[in-house]
Amino acid sequence: DSGVTQTPKHLITATGQRVTLRCSPRSGDLSVYWYQQSLDQGLQFLIQYYNGEERAKGNILERFSAQQFPDLHSELNLSSLELGDSALYFCASSVATRGGNYGYTFGSGTRLTVV
Amino acid sequence: AQKVTQAQTEISVVEKEDVTLDCVYETRDTTYYLFWYKQPPSGELVFLIRRNSFDEQNEISGRYSWNFQKSTSSFNFTITASQVVDSAVYFCALIPSSGNTPLVFGKGTRLSVIA
Repeated sequence: DSGVTQTPKHLITATGQRVTLRCSPRSGDLSVYWYQQSLDQGLQFLIQYYNGEERAKGNILERFSAQQFPDLHSELNLSSLELGDSALYFCASSVATRGGNYGYTFGSGTRLTVV
Repeated sequence: AQKVTQAQTEISVVEKEDVTLDCVYETRDTTYYLFWYKQPPSGELVFLIRRNSFDEQNEISGRYSWNFQKSTSSFNFTITASQVVDSAVYFCALIPSSGNTPLVFGKGTRLSVIA
């Protein structure tokens, strides 16, 4: 157990729907990162939050949004889902904003299947 | 911008063979961290090693060893006497020590170890 909890582990939904993925960071970590792993794109950075504030943004679609709550858990909202959104979504946490000195701790991922 | 290249998409070896996974990176930062992660068929990302750019000493951990060469911007990973349990996708990743750039991953190398 890495200490980073992601729920649900698996999610199957239809095109056009909206889903919410949840992440609880490791105790003491203030930064949360979201990554998308699709078959042909590898691990792509989506967005980072630090202590409730957005700190960095990657190739995140406008249909996707995220937030980090006062208890530091984070949610990634995916709307108007398309078949191409099917992927493994990872959450990671770290102590510092940069994460370099301390590294990232990854959760076990949420596998989203859009049908 | 940071970039990590893993030129080997897939490698297949017979059990007990040695195998080296290549990783070449690009960064303008003078200080940075390099990582290797393992993703077994179950899907989670398992941290293997973190290397500071100041430390060019090679590292050995059991059957695993890493060769960091700053002159060629490479951070190669060797598995000695491979086993079936080593079958996984292996990712090399980079993060600068300063700034707010998140962890950047290579596209991964899928290693299949055949009994």
